[in-house]
Amino acid sequence: EAAVTQSPRSKVAVTGGKVTLSCHQTNNHDYMYWYRQDTGHGLRLIHYSYVADSTEKGDIPDGYKASRPSQENFSLILELASLSQTAVYFCASSVDRYSGNTLYFGEGSRLIVV
Amino acid sequence: QQQVRQSPQSLTVWEGGTTVLTCSYEDSTFNYFPWYQQFPGEGPALLISILSVSDKKEDGRFTTFFNKREKKLSLHIIDSQPGDSATYFCAASRGANYNVLYFGSGTKLTVEP
Repeated sequence: EAAVTQSPRSKVAVTGGKVTLSCHQTNNHDYMYWYRQDTGHGLRLIHYSYVADSTEKGDIPDGYKASRPSQENFSLILELASLSQTAVYFCASSVDRYSGNTLYFGEGSRLIVV
Repeated sequence: QQQVRQSPQSLTVWEGGTTVLTCSYEDSTFNYFPWYQQFPGEGPALLISILSVSDKKEDGRFTTFFNKREKKLSLHIIDSQPGDSATYFCAASRGANYNVLYFGSGTKLTVEP
């Protein structure tokens, strides 16, 4: 069974502060993703990566940085957190980028910026 | 703008009934359409998917239909069960990056016993 774990599961951050969300996968998957979930918007892709030390921008990368130091780990960094970044963040992994390819999601990290 | 539109936003059906969820899209280059199911407090999980070369795919009580001409897809759940209560997301992707998914806004399904 695929395993994607996120930390922290919940966090309250102050506006202007730095936030790091971490993701670890034990699937030996090449691809990892960060999605943001807001009510009424579904999930929107922030950043993804297909190899260590390389990241790609998704649909909504502004205000976020990503880091992939190893195949297993993928972090999402908010250098200056803002109120509008309050959301639930999901990390996911997948084997490759081809059709029939399943994304395995973590349980989410709820971020509240005050 | 939302690349994939999903309706309804929420839906309540009785146990044993048939649930129908629908999605539409504009970009004709989309050719892979998965449906994800999400229970409260959990991440989404793949339920069923279809490629644009097919018009129907069935998996047990779940069937997804694809209409290329109308750019619409739907998810049918027959004999709906309380355990099916969840939020359902349709998604779409294209070409060389099937893994870059564009999600609909989701439908929250409640199945009443």
